[in-house]
Amino acid sequence: DAGVIQSPRHEVTEMGQEVTLRCKPISGHDYLFWYRQTMMRGLELLIYFNNNVPIDDSGMPEDRFSAKMPNASFSTLKIQPSEPRDSAVYFCASRSGQGSSPLHFGNGTRLTVT
Amino acid sequence: GQSLEQPSEVTAVEGAIVQINCTYQTSGFYGLSWYQQHDGGAPTFLSYNALDGLEETGRFSSFLSRSDSYGYLLLQELQMKDSASYFCAVRDGTSGSARQLTFGSGTQLTVLP
Repeated sequence: DAGVIQSPRHEVTEMGQEVTLRCKPISGHDYLFWYRQTMMRGLELLIYFNNNVPIDDSGMPEDRFSAKMPNASFSTLKIQPSEPRDSAVYFCASRSGQGSSPLHFGNGTRLTVT
Repeated sequence: GQSLEQPSEVTAVEGAIVQINCTYQTSGFYGLSWYQQHDGGAPTFLSYNALDGLEETGRFSSFLSRSDSYGYLLLQELQMKDSASYFCAVRDGTSGSARQLTFGSGTQLTVLP
């Protein structure tokens, strides 16, 4: 079990540029989550998918953020255009269908927008 | 909505016992979880309590009182490697992100030699 795999680990970009973060969940997990972590706001749920379908995107801060899950083994989180306030660590997590099953987090992508 | 409160910092010495408290306000409560996060790392699952009482896993134990909307994480025989942030998280039944986790702001535990 390779765990949840995220790429890139670090991303530095200039304001206005498009940023794409990638995630491969654990095989067999049918829930996938995108979280954002900052000192000020802690861990915030942005969006989650169940069986590749977006279920709740109410945590997505604004229209500049979008997420897709074209198949069970891949998801992207895109920011276009990026702004300095988007600087944060973005975590992808997955879990199996049982409600009590734990979240498995990837190592995160540290995004810096200058 | 839901809210969780936990202390921002706790300091203890190696070998000691430390308790990290968590109080929550939520509707349709389904369980309290604890996650550990080392600096620069990913949160990792420690424990889950759906029912009242104590759950023990090695040096770590977690307690839940649903009537008090309160839980705690107990760490025994502290080791330097236990220095990390500890998050409580609730799974509730509100609409939208129903039964998904909402995390507290985290408690930074520092273990001194």
